[in-house]
Amino acid sequence: EAQVTQNPRYLITVTGKKLTVTCSQNMNHEYMSWYRQDPGLGLRQIYYSMNVEVTDKGDVPEGYKVSRKEKRNFPLILESPSPNQTSLYFCASSFKVGSYGYTFGSGTRLTVV
Amino acid sequence: AQTVTQSQPEMSVQEAETVTLSCTYDTSESDYYLFWYKQPPSRQMILVIRQEAYKQQNATENRFSVNFQKAAKSFSLKISDSQLGDAAMYFCAYRRGGASGSRLTFGEGTQLTVNP
Repeated sequence: EAQVTQNPRYLITVTGKKLTVTCSQNMNHEYMSWYRQDPGLGLRQIYYSMNVEVTDKGDVPEGYKVSRKEKRNFPLILESPSPNQTSLYFCASSFKVGSYGYTFGSGTRLTVV
Repeated sequence: AQTVTQSQPEMSVQEAETVTLSCTYDTSESDYYLFWYKQPPSRQMILVIRQEAYKQQNATENRFSVNFQKAAKSFSLKISDSQLGDAAMYFCAYRRGGASGSRLTFGEGTQLTVNP
């Protein structure tokens, strides 16, 4: 089944404790992206990757890191989480161009206390 | 930069009735794509319908249709014969065409309630 697998689904952590949210896709998509969803703000892009070893900042990159060592994986790293990073996070992938929409992961609800 | 605006934070509709969700966007591009996504309480993002800007014909998917007004930069979603399962957050999204057109820009979302 074609899908984006994102883990964990829920995560509660303390301020300053490094964490990683994993994302993997099995559709050979070149493009992968991370979004955060906050009430009244919609989904905002954090980072994206056009292909292996090619990443770039989105609209809200502060406090986040990513890497793309393999085409299928695109982890999101919070090296020192803060309460303002409490949010719902989505990983998504697609082919690089065309009329395709994105395929989304099931989301990670992160709470930083 | 492209922006997408959904001016209705909340909408409600009676079951079996029709509802229209509004979306406007701002772009200087001529080649782009527009999407509506549905997010039910399960929070899964589900693609409802897509529209290519070069097509004049409005897209339709069963009970879902769009009214695409390119000159006005408007892209509304009409849901006919509303069902309880249509209750969800709906997001409008824009994607530029061409080799650099990978990013999806979202609106703020509209929470749709369906009343029995």
